[in-house]
Amino acid sequence: SQQGEEDPQALSIQEGENATMNCSYKTSINNLQWYRQNSGRGLVHLILIRSNEREKHSGRLRVTLDTSKKSSSLLITASRAADTASYFCATRAGTYKYIFGTGTRLKVLA
Amino acid sequence: SQTIHQWPATLVQPVGSPLSLECTVEGTSNPNLYWYRQAAGRGLQLLFYSVGIGQISSEVPQNLSASRPQDRQFILSSKKLLLSDSGFYLCAWSVTGEKLFFGSGTQLSVL
Repeated sequence: SQQGEEDPQALSIQEGENATMNCSYKTSINNLQWYRQNSGRGLVHLILIRSNEREKHSGRLRVTLDTSKKSSSLLITASRAADTASYFCATRAGTYKYIFGTGTRLKVLA
Repeated sequence: SQTIHQWPATLVQPVGSPLSLECTVEGTSNPNLYWYRQAAGRGLQLLFYSVGIGQISSEVPQNLSASRPQDRQFILSSKKLLLSDSGFYLCAWSVTGEKLFFGSGTQLSVL
C-alpha cells in the first residue's frame, strides 16, 4: 500500500501548548500536503511543501520535509481549542494521485 | 469562486440495494475529480479519479463504479451494496495539481 502513516494516532494537549505530528510515506513525491478534518466534515487544505523545500511556515503552522527519510512533520504552535480536529498528510505521487496518511486525532483541552 | 456540492449528506440503505452519489463542481473548468472513502476514525482510501469526461481510473477493485457524464459532474454508483460499503464518502476536485478541495461528504450506512 502507498498509504502513509501519521504518528501519533492521537494527541491530547492543553491549550497554549505546541502540537507536533509526524508523517511517513513510501514513494517518491512531488509535494506533500497537510489537511485538517473536523468531525464529520470534509478535509480542508492547510499547507503544501514541495519536494525541494525543507521547511515552510503559515501562521501558527510549521511544516518540515525530509525526503531522505521520507518523512514530514507538522507543528502547530500555541494551540487553541478550535484546533481540535484530525490532521492528515497527503502525497502527490505522479500527476493526479493524492495518497493520504492514516491521520492524527488532536484534542486541545481548554 | 469555486464550490463543490455533494449530496446527500447521510444515507441509510439496505444490503443489496443500488447506490448513486453525486458531486458537482462550480466555478472551474476541466477539474480533476476524485472519490475517496473513509472508514470510521481512519484515513482516506482513493476509490476513483477522473481527469476528463468519460475518463475514469479505478484504484480499488470492488462493486463500486464511477462515471463522469459532464465536465463538472462525478457520480459514484453501485448495483448492489454490501455491508462493507458503509463509510464516509468524500468527493474532491483539483485543477492545478497543488491541492484538493473537498465536499462535505456523505455518510453511508448499509444495514
